[in-house]
Amino acid sequence: QTVVTQEPSLTVSPGGTVTLTCASSTGAVTSGYFPNWFQQKPGQAPRALIYNTNNRHSWTPARFSGSLLGGKAALTLSGVLPEDEAEYYCLLYYGGVQPWLFGGGTKLIVL
Amino acid sequence: EVQLVESGGGLVQPGGSLTLSCAASGFTFSDYEMNWVRQAPGKGLEWVSHIMSTGSPRHYAGSVEGRFTIYRDNAGNSLYLQMNRLRVEDTAIYYCVRDGAGYQSRGEDWGRGTLVAVSS
Repeated sequence: QTVVTQEPSLTVSPGGTVTLTCASSTGAVTSGYFPNWFQQKPGQAPRALIYNTNNRHSWTPARFSGSLLGGKAALTLSGVLPEDEAEYYCLLYYGGVQPWLFGGGTKLIVL
Repeated sequence: EVQLVESGGGLVQPGGSLTLSCAASGFTFSDYEMNWVRQAPGKGLEWVSHIMSTGSPRHYAGSVEGRFTIYRDNAGNSLYLQMNRLRVEDTAIYYCVRDGAGYQSRGEDWGRGTLVAVSS
């Protein structure tokens, strides 16, 4: 059974930089997994941030960037704001019968 | 403005059935791929099912394959999820989700969700 793994939680100071990663149990994550990233705040529906590895949506602040790093998908937040405290999820594409899997989520704490 | 409004959730006994609906507006529904994504209480997101803009092909998570059916009515701008043989572990908020027009842009717009509770 394929598993997508994210850090359970990370802590960052306001103004700092943090990188969240997304790994696949099948091996290195490449551009062919078309990573998508989502932000979810308590009591709200998720909001899309990044698609196809490194493409921001029109509403995504420039401080959010997506990349591939060391065989994983990565979401980097630069100049973190208190409002960035949230749960972040990655989504990877595997094709076949069950094409997409979410990671378990990373709780980002801004402290 | 894109709007996705889910309905049809509620309390159902294990083994029972339920059909969720999603009313879409603010965009040309027939042009977009659609999904259902769920979130169990206090847990992470789980992709459940996907349907192409034309209605096929359709894909399902292994946990719901053979029990759930996704379908759409492009003339009526609606998405559905028929859920049979429900289990306690199907308890979750179910979100109606629209994919984007960009290449491999997933989950661009989300509804507020509808709660399905499976319990005896």
